Amino acid sequence: NAGVMQNPRHLVRRRGQEARLRCSPMKGHSHVYWYRQLPEEGLKFMVYLQKENIIDESGMPKERFSAEFPKEGPSILRIQQVVRGDSAAYFCASSEQMTANNEKLFFGSGTQLSVL
Amino acid sequence: DQQVKQNSPSLSVQEGRISILNCDYTNSMFDYFLWYKKYPAEGPTFLISISSIKDKNEDGRFTVFLNKSAKHLSLHIVPSQPGDSAVYFCAAKGSGSRLTFGEGTQLTVNP
Repeated sequence: NAGVMQNPRHLVRRRGQEARLRCSPMKGHSHVYWYRQLPEEGLKFMVYLQKENIIDESGMPKERFSAEFPKEGPSILRIQQVVRGDSAAYFCASSEQMTANNEKLFFGSGTQLSVL
Repeated sequence: DQQVKQNSPSLSVQEGRISILNCDYTNSMFDYFLWYKKYPAEGPTFLISISSIKDKNEDGRFTVFLNKSAKHLSLHIVPSQPGDSAVYFCAAKGSGSRLTFGEGTQLTVNP
């Protein structure tokens, strides 16, 4: 029973390029969450998605960042025109139900994005 | 605005002794609290949780205490083992779906 799968594990981009981070939730999980961890900080909520729907994107920067969770395939976090400040570890988590029901999250191993 | 705060960035204890990790929060709407453990190059893994209707929850060597009036919770690990060395994150949740995390405490258990 595979856990939450994120790829790539490491991603290097030059300033101005696009970064695409992928997340496949655990089998049977239809709720996906993206968190970002900047150096020396805790994890910060970015966005919560269900299949084909964005439920809460209040943690997403207003520009350059977007997320999707299509009916088929993994969830994608897209960062356009990356800047050095986007360098961070990006974690995806999934749950079977809404965490409003206190369902605990299962996290992937993260994607470390480095912007040169 | 750091709503969940872990004031100790690091803690070092001897194997077999008790580890106490602390966490403070400011948002009185939080009603569910969790501790996650994170090893390098891995994602956080769930450890233990507590609802605001309780003041203590125990699972093996791990116990979480909640003091609502002080808006404070703590994680006790006893006895501590070298394999417990990791970063521990406190997290809190209100009525919505998002978790708010603290900055983490690096626990080192020395053999």
